Amino acid sequence: GQNIDQPTEMTATEGAIVQINCTYQTSGFNGLFWYQQHAGEAPTFLSYNVLDGLEEKGRFSSFLSRSKGYSYLLLKELQMKDSASYLCAVNVFSGGYNKLIFGAGTRLAVHP
Amino acid sequence: GAGVSQSPRYKVAKRGQDVALRCDPISGHVSLFWYQQALGQGPEFLTYFQNEAQLDKSGLPSDRFFAERPEGSVSTLKIQRTQQEDSAVYLCASSLGPQSYEQYFGPGTRLTVT
Repeated sequence: GQNIDQPTEMTATEGAIVQINCTYQTSGFNGLFWYQQHAGEAPTFLSYNVLDGLEEKGRFSSFLSRSKGYSYLLLKELQMKDSASYLCAVNVFSGGYNKLIFGAGTRLAVHP
Repeated sequence: GAGVSQSPRYKVAKRGQDVALRCDPISGHVSLFWYQQALGQGPEFLTYFQNEAQLDKSGLPSDRFFAERPEGSVSTLKIQRTQQEDSAVYLCASSLGPQSYEQYFGPGTRLTVT
């Protein structure tokens, strides 16, 4: 079966660094996404990793280890506006098309 | 440029009513997905279209759920005889084609069944 785990909630202080972990067990793995979702809004794309290693994009970095079935999203210099849910999603290629399997999301609260 | 749009944004239905939710994908996008997102959960896959063909409906929770995309662009998700457990946000996403990995999400329709 397909299984994706990430912590339910995290809190952090403005200006700090936070790491959100995601572990997965899936078949047909074809990359891993991180999305940000503010309450009442659509998920917005943050990062995509298909090869092992770290991808850095401004204040956000994402890491992937395919052999361990593990990824993390690193947020630096946290701002209040970073308070949101962060969704880990595995891209699975099956039946001739790419399909996303989402984790339940991690709700991050940033406080002053 | 226009993104994915969905209507209505909010829908309140009495239990037992039928509802229809509309998705307008990005023009030219071949692939279209519907997801259901319950409160506090991640989106769960419902169904996939490639042009007008519904290639995967494995995520539809019951035969009360029906989706169509007759001309390969606009799609409608219909829920018959709504139940309280159908209350959720219904997200639509589109992508360039089956080989594309990036999906573009619409704002969703929040359905509340009373």
